[in-house]
Amino acid sequence: KQEVTQIPAALSVPEGENLVLNCSFTDSAIYNLQWFRQDPGKGLTSLLLIQSSQREQTSGRLNASLDKSSGRSTLYIAASQPGDSATYLCAVMDNYGQNFVFGPGTRLSVLP
Amino acid sequence: DAGITQSPRYKITETGRQVTLMCHQTWSHSYMFWYRQDLGHGLRLIYYSAAADITDKGEVPDGYVVSRSKTENFPLTLESATRSQTSVYFCASISNVLNNYGYTFGSGTRLTVV
Repeated sequence: KQEVTQIPAALSVPEGENLVLNCSFTDSAIYNLQWFRQDPGKGLTSLLLIQSSQREQTSGRLNASLDKSSGRSTLYIAASQPGDSATYLCAVMDNYGQNFVFGPGTRLSVLP
Repeated sequence: DAGITQSPRYKITETGRQVTLMCHQTWSHSYMFWYRQDLGHGLRLIYYSAAADITDKGEVPDGYVVSRSKTENFPLTLESATRSQTSVYFCASISNVLNNYGYTFGSGTRLTVV
């Protein structure tokens, strides 16, 4: 059974810092991995999607990498801003395309 | 507006009552999903549907019923609500699970069973 973990569970940084969020999964047989952002009391907003054949994806100040063989993905946020404060979740889709398993999330606070 | 909408946003119901959560999407996406989000458990899949009239169980289906008579709608029914079903419920859709665009989520329904 696929299990997804995220480290750290919570992170607090001053504005302007670069930071890395980590996601690990136990079964490397995935089809893709997606990073989401969730604001308090809100739904999930898709940030980046990485197919299993890709190594990384970039969108603005966000860069996500994928090392399928080691079961790891990282989300790099450059020059963090208070507006980046949210919970970040990663999710992996199995090769059958039938289930998306979510990690517990990393709660990020960027202090002005 | 185009997108995926859930209703109601908030619902309080009594134990034993039947309650239905609605999900509507305007993209004609093939796949739709219901998740529940709980502290300590993260997001867990309840049911999903690959197309109209095709549904399948996810990780935590007990106590829930779904139907999909039309592509755009995917209601989730709690036949006899229990306190353990107090949660935030999210609906999601995707045009094809193997596409390049990933999931789109609704804003959620916060359900409290008293």
